[in-house]
Amino acid sequence: IAGITQAPTSQILAAGRRMTLRCTQDMRHNAMYWYRQDLGLGLRLIHYSNTAGTTGKGEVPDGYSVSRANTDDFPLTLASAVPSQTSVYFCASSVSAQETQYFGPGTRLLVL
Amino acid sequence: AQSVTQLDSHVSVSEGTPVLLRCNYSSSYSPSLFWYVQHPNKGLQLLLKYTSAATLVKGINGFEAEFKKSETSFHLTKPSAHMSDAAEYFCVVSAFSGGYNKLIFGAGTRLAVHP
Repeated sequence: IAGITQAPTSQILAAGRRMTLRCTQDMRHNAMYWYRQDLGLGLRLIHYSNTAGTTGKGEVPDGYSVSRANTDDFPLTLASAVPSQTSVYFCASSVSAQETQYFGPGTRLLVL
Repeated sequence: AQSVTQLDSHVSVSEGTPVLLRCNYSSSYSPSLFWYVQHPNKGLQLLLKYTSAATLVKGINGFEAEFKKSETSFHLTKPSAHMSDAAEYFCVVSAFSGGYNKLIFGAGTRLAVHP
């Protein structure tokens, strides 16, 4: 059982380019989340999905979009990357919206 | 509103000595509290969680935490540090609000373990 996988592991991206970060879980968890981790700011929620077919905005959603076409996958898209989106991105999932969240290994993104 | 304060940004201990990482929380109702650990360049791993059952919670790798409502604290302890415990530790409170379960992270405590 892999748990949560994220791809790519790291990426250098030119500003203005479009980028999709992938997240897949094999635990059949209903809820999934995207966080960004920045030094001194901790982890902040970008978007969430309580169940397949639904999504919602977290604390810092601007510049990001998500989709949840099925239970397993929750991609995060940066439509036009900016340097302030340089961060480490973590995907997480939980059995249901109020249960413990488990995190993936993260994607390090550098936007130049 | 919920909040979390980790009282030490850095803690340094010698291998084999006790570990104490301090966390205070603020919550308007009975909270769910967690400790996560993050090793360098790795994801976050759940150490333990408190969800209003026993106040002393045992986690993985010999860690435990005690929920003290009167002190609004949830300190993480381990009797004997190991070199592999060197990592960053996050105290987290969860709040289900606005349709989703929001995790509120403390700023983190970096634990260094010296031989």
